[in-house]
Amino acid sequence: EPEVTQTPSHQVTQMGQEVILRCVPISNHLYFYWYRQILGQKVEFLVSFYNNEISEKSEIFDDQFSVERPDGSNFTLKIRSTKLEDSAMYFCASRGTDTQYFGPGTRLTVL
Amino acid sequence: GESVGLHLPTLSVQEGDNSIINCAYSNSASDYFIWYKQESGKGPQFIIDIRSNMDKRQGQRVTVLLNKTVKHLSLQIAATQPGDSAVYFCAENNDYKLSFGAGTTVTVRA
Repeated sequence: EPEVTQTPSHQVTQMGQEVILRCVPISNHLYFYWYRQILGQKVEFLVSFYNNEISEKSEIFDDQFSVERPDGSNFTLKIRSTKLEDSAMYFCASRGTDTQYFGPGTRLTVL
Repeated sequence: GESVGLHLPTLSVQEGDNSIINCAYSNSASDYFIWYKQESGKGPQFIIDIRSNMDKRQGQRVTVLLNKTVKHLSLQIAATQPGDSAVYFCAENNDYKLSFGAGTTVTVRA
């Protein structure tokens, strides 16, 4: 069964450093999403992406964040200058018709 | 603003019993709802969904009920198994931007 994959599973970085989180969506899906989940809290929407551009973004998704689909298979989330409060699980999701399917997540730890 | 929430943060259930997980939502315009299951260290896993033109939908061992009058959603799991232990989230779909509730942790007792 097709699934969304994410790498790395765990990323540790120093505050102020740039990180890139990678996702491979399900191959025939056209809609892509990033969500995050701070430990013990609910999953929060960050951004949606379709046709090589951002469809919608939340107030969390500020200028430090960017997304890209660099090729036909990958979908990335970049955080330019990480802050302590960026520590969270980051989930990628993709959608074909209605249902969003989530990847296993990347745990980002900012020290 | 809109919010989606679950009534109880934890639920302990005896193996073999039925589980009922509740969720309240506030956006009466929402037309699509999804239940996800999240096991420790994993991403949300789709369980079942329901559109607002329905009040009940059944899957394998799971049933979702939607009461639009009181803006309430529930997930029923029949014959709960140890593998059902997880955090369960309801999510409200607004133009395919999901708003998640806080989650209910289900623990299955042997």
